[in-house]
Amino acid sequence: ELKVEQNPLFLSMQEGKNYTIYCNYSTTSDRLYWYRQDPGKSLESLFVLLSNGAVKQEGRLMASLDTKARLSTLHITAAVHDLSATYFCAVGATGGGADGLTFGKGTHLIIQP
Amino acid sequence: DTGVSQNPRHKITKRGQNVTFRCDPISEHNRLYWYRQTLGQGPEFLTYFQNEAQLEKSRLLSDRFSAERPKGSFSTLEIQRTEQGDSAMYLCASSLGTGEMVYGYTFGSGTRLTVV
Repeated sequence: ELKVEQNPLFLSMQEGKNYTIYCNYSTTSDRLYWYRQDPGKSLESLFVLLSNGAVKQEGRLMASLDTKARLSTLHITAAVHDLSATYFCAVGATGGGADGLTFGKGTHLIIQP
Repeated sequence: DTGVSQNPRHKITKRGQNVTFRCDPISEHNRLYWYRQTLGQGPEFLTYFQNEAQLEKSRLLSDRFSAERPKGSFSTLEIQRTEQGDSAMYLCASSLGTGEMVYGYTFGSGTRLTVV
């Protein structure tokens, strides 16, 4: 059974600081996704990571994937208040969509001015 | 195209009643997924359609849950004899086949169910 663990689950930080969210998963996968969710809203796709060593960046967010360690990170650089949200990583079982995605519990991020 | 549309946005029902939710995916997307999200948790996969075929339904939470996608377009999720534990956000997502590997999945805004 595929399991996905995120940490930390809660994070309060100040604007301008850097921090990293970690996502570990238990079995081999060929795809990892990061999503953002604002309160009461749906999930917004941030990154799709497919291969070992993949790194993607968008603004102040950078995601990376180490398939050997079964670890992905989401790094926040010089945080701003607008990045306050819950961030989820999700992993797809190797081979296709029929198994859906397995999500972590999410990291609730609060960035204080 | 306005993305994945879900209706209703909110549903309050009495315990024991049946409810049905609708999802309209992005028109060219052939894959459709239903998830349930409870407070403080990540979404939990329920079922999957490729076109009109339901290829995975073993993860539906009980036999009170069923889903259809009659013409490979919109989908419905029905919960019969609702229980208070069914209270949650029900999310629909769609994707275009192997486009999942590039673009991921597009989620709808969800239907929030409250069973009283």
